[in-house]
Amino acid sequence: GAVVSQHPSRVICKSGTSVKIECRSLDFQATTMFWYRQFPKQSLMLMATSNEGSKATYEQGVEKDKFLINHASLTLSTLTVTSAHPEDSSFYICSARALRSGSQETQYFGPGTRLLVL
Amino acid sequence: GQNIDQPTEMTATEGAIVQINCTYQTSGFNGLFWYQQHAGEAPTFLSYNVLDGLEEKGRFSSFLSRSKGYSYLLLKELQMKDSASYLCAVMDSNYQLIWGAGTKLIIKP
Repeated sequence: GAVVSQHPSRVICKSGTSVKIECRSLDFQATTMFWYRQFPKQSLMLMATSNEGSKATYEQGVEKDKFLINHASLTLSTLTVTSAHPEDSSFYICSARALRSGSQETQYFGPGTRLLVL
Repeated sequence: GQNIDQPTEMTATEGAIVQINCTYQTSGFNGLFWYQQHAGEAPTFLSYNVLDGLEEKGRFSSFLSRSKGYSYLLLKELQMKDSASYLCAVMDSNYQLIWGAGTKLIIKP
């Protein structure tokens, strides 16, 4: 089945540094990728939607200058947390939507990246 | 390899009960999650099981058997708004989420 990978799986960084998280669709082309943030035992909070070759669409309350998203190709999207602070510590999950024949779209989720900002 | 299996689609009648099964094979286990996702929306957290047994939360209940690598989500008194995809996800020993493909639940009047 379709697989979405994220790298790194976990990262610890100092406050004020920037962290880049990669999301790749391994065996399919993803025209749309989503970035979520998850707090413990809570729903996934959609941060932004990115379409290949165009600017990401951010949800209300998400700072686009802080969470930079680049969807450079049909298999890769990156999320960069700039000037990270301890409150940015969270579990970040990406998902990729595959366009199947018959216009049936399926969304596949990545394993998540655990970010800890000290 | 790691694997999560759940049925692709299920159909049930309004007011009835439906059970969505999820079986898993993962490297380690740090809990199993159930999410509900309506089309075009972000997944909504439903339940988290880390110990064997049944967790009841209103109309929804979730069961876990770690020895069998098995869980189910039980939905009672089905309502039309319960039509959605239900995702099973397991957190492995590295605290990574392994996702099932989701079960599309169709509720008929």
